[in-house]
Amino acid sequence: DGGITQSPKYLFRKEGQNVTLSCEQNLNHDAMYWYRQDPGQGLRLIYYSQIVNDFQKGDIAEGYSVSREKKESFPLTVTSAQKNPTAFYLCASSPAGGAFHEQYFGPGTRLTVT
Amino acid sequence: SQELEQSPQSLIVQEGKNLTINCTSSKTLYGLYWYKQKYGEGLIFLMMLQKGGEEKSHEKITAKLDEKKQQSSLHITASQPSHAGIYLCGADRRQTGANNLFFGTGTRLTVIP
Repeated sequence: DGGITQSPKYLFRKEGQNVTLSCEQNLNHDAMYWYRQDPGQGLRLIYYSQIVNDFQKGDIAEGYSVSREKKESFPLTVTSAQKNPTAFYLCASSPAGGAFHEQYFGPGTRLTVT
Repeated sequence: SQELEQSPQSLIVQEGKNLTINCTSSKTLYGLYWYKQKYGEGLIFLMMLQKGGEEKSHEKITAKLDEKKQQSSLHITASQPSHAGIYLCGADRRQTGANNLFFGTGTRLTVIP
């Protein structure tokens, strides 16, 4: 079955440590996205990539980094520079030039940093 | 910058009751998308509206976009516990070369059996 997987579902880290969240899709989609969700703030775009080896900053890219070496994978690293990393992180993908209703979302990773 | 405001922030209704969730934009909407999210999970696409005055329905859920394309409503008829979750509206950002959505703050719906 085609879809997007994010792992792990729950992640715990100590403050000051970098952590990488995984996002894999087998939908053959060109575009991939990372969103952050906080209570009462909806989803905010962190980074997005429309093609392999290319990505752009979203609204809240500071303290995060990404790579897009393979079409299927778009890992997100939360660095120690991110001041409030505890949040629910959602990955999504869509076909190139596709409308947003074609954007598929993963199940999310809840990151807790203490 | 464009903002999407949803109201109410949370809603608790008795099973069988009708309800409406609103999404208001500070600027003209070029595309409005409604999603549903179960707590701690990903988003599920519900409906897309693009034309002023457009209305779409799926099962017991109806979404409308006003003529000015600045406000959308999501109406659920005869609510059921399966309708519970967080409802999010998203707008086409219309940035050149960008392919992303701008989301509202969400409405948490609880349906009491």
